[in-house]
Amino acid sequence: SSEVTQDPAVSVALGQTVRITCQGDSLRSYYASWYQQKPGQAPVLVIYGKNKRPSGIPDRFSGSSSGNTASLTITGAQAEDEADYYCNSRDSSGNHVVFGGGTKLTVL
Amino acid sequence: QLQLQESGSGLVKPSQTLSLTCAVSGGSLSSGGYSWSWIRQPPGKGLEWIGYIYHSGSTYYNPSLKSRITISVDRSKNQFSLKLSSVTAADTAVYFCAGGGNDSDGYYLNYWGQGTLVTVSS
Repeated sequence: SSEVTQDPAVSVALGQTVRITCQGDSLRSYYASWYQQKPGQAPVLVIYGKNKRPSGIPDRFSGSSSGNTASLTITGAQAEDEADYYCNSRDSSGNHVVFGGGTKLTVL
Repeated sequence: QLQLQESGSGLVKPSQTLSLTCAVSGGSLSSGGYSWSWIRQPPGKGLEWIGYIYHSGSTYYNPSLKSRITISVDRSKNQFSLKLSSVTAADTAVYFCAGGGNDSDGYYLNYWGQGTLVTVSS
């Protein structure tokens, strides 16, 4: 399959840890990247490669991968982390790109 | 710090061609080994990859849209463009241009435009 899939919604209590996952066959071969998108805004890259964070992204965001599953972990979730999160990766061909359907994170 | 800005028609009639341009500032389109992408997001829905063009000029398109897409680069103007032909209401979306790496760290988009809403309607 060339798709990657995400759970539609996840919730976390303020200050707790949450993991958002992305599954797909192509993730066995290629890294996922993760984006945070708040309403009315463009997505922001938060994790790419083997757990790399762009400048300005808090270190409470981390990434990992095992088999066909990539994960984004937020350790000590803050109210401002409430957003939609998207994973993406190359597809199995290596030349095309796929996005997950997105996970809506609610911070309680 | 690269900045990207989309421009183009916000209203396109069905069966016509959608045309958007992304102006890149703060750096050269030709440097750094970046790829330059178009992504779209229908209202209330998720992100969809449209395609990208490498710094070398090679292009890769979403197979589901391939027959209707052209992505090109104008290096003299430091901008890249999207043309999507034979549009229907299903092509109504916010269109983002973005740039980033496509290397051993995977495919990732560091830089995004603000997005522009394109509505297909008669």
